[in-house]
Amino acid sequence: DSGVTQTPKHLITATGQRVTLRCSPRSGDLSVYWYQQSLDQGLQFLIQYYNGEERAKGNILERFSAQQFPDLHSELNLSSLELGDSALYFCASSRSGTSGPGELFFGEGSRLTVL
Amino acid sequence: AQSVTQPDIHITVSEGASLELRCNYSYGATPYLFWYVQSPGQGLQLLLKYFSGDTLVQGIKGFEAEFKRSQSSFNLRKPSVHWSDAAEYFCAVGPPSGTYKYIFGTGTRLKVLA
Repeated sequence: DSGVTQTPKHLITATGQRVTLRCSPRSGDLSVYWYQQSLDQGLQFLIQYYNGEERAKGNILERFSAQQFPDLHSELNLSSLELGDSALYFCASSRSGTSGPGELFFGEGSRLTVL
Repeated sequence: AQSVTQPDIHITVSEGASLELRCNYSYGATPYLFWYVQSPGQGLQLLLKYFSGDTLVQGIKGFEAEFKRSQSSFNLRKPSVHWSDAAEYFCAVGPPSGTYKYIFGTGTRLKVLA
């Protein structure tokens, strides 16, 4: 158990819909990362938040947005869903202080299926 | 451009055989290096990491990795593979400072024959 909790574990929805994925980081971790894992693209970095602020952005579509709340949990919002958005979405957390990157602790992922 | 290459998409070994998974990186400076393992239906779990110091690092489950600066490589090894090691293995790099944008390789899927 990594200590990172993601909900829901599975989600099936239709094209054009909007979903929200939730992540609770490990206790004490200030950074949250979102990754998308699909068969053809591997593990793609989407976005990172540190203590409530956006820290780094990767290949995140404009239809996707995220935020980190004061209690440090994070949500990834996916809108106008397309078939190609079907993937496993991972959240990871780390202490990620000023002394350099620490290891990432991954949740078990949210599997999104868009029909 | 920063990148991580895992040249072997699939590797099959017999149980008890030795294993080496390759990882090469392209980076402006010496990055922080990691190996993660993903079992089916699970998240990624850290096997080992290299930040500095001894270039041979030991990890969990009997794995080790060696950092070779001259070859920009960080290969993962295990002397004797167990059937439970069947999984997907990811090499990753992280910058030594600044925004901590980790880059993952595309993964190597390991199959273990009984």
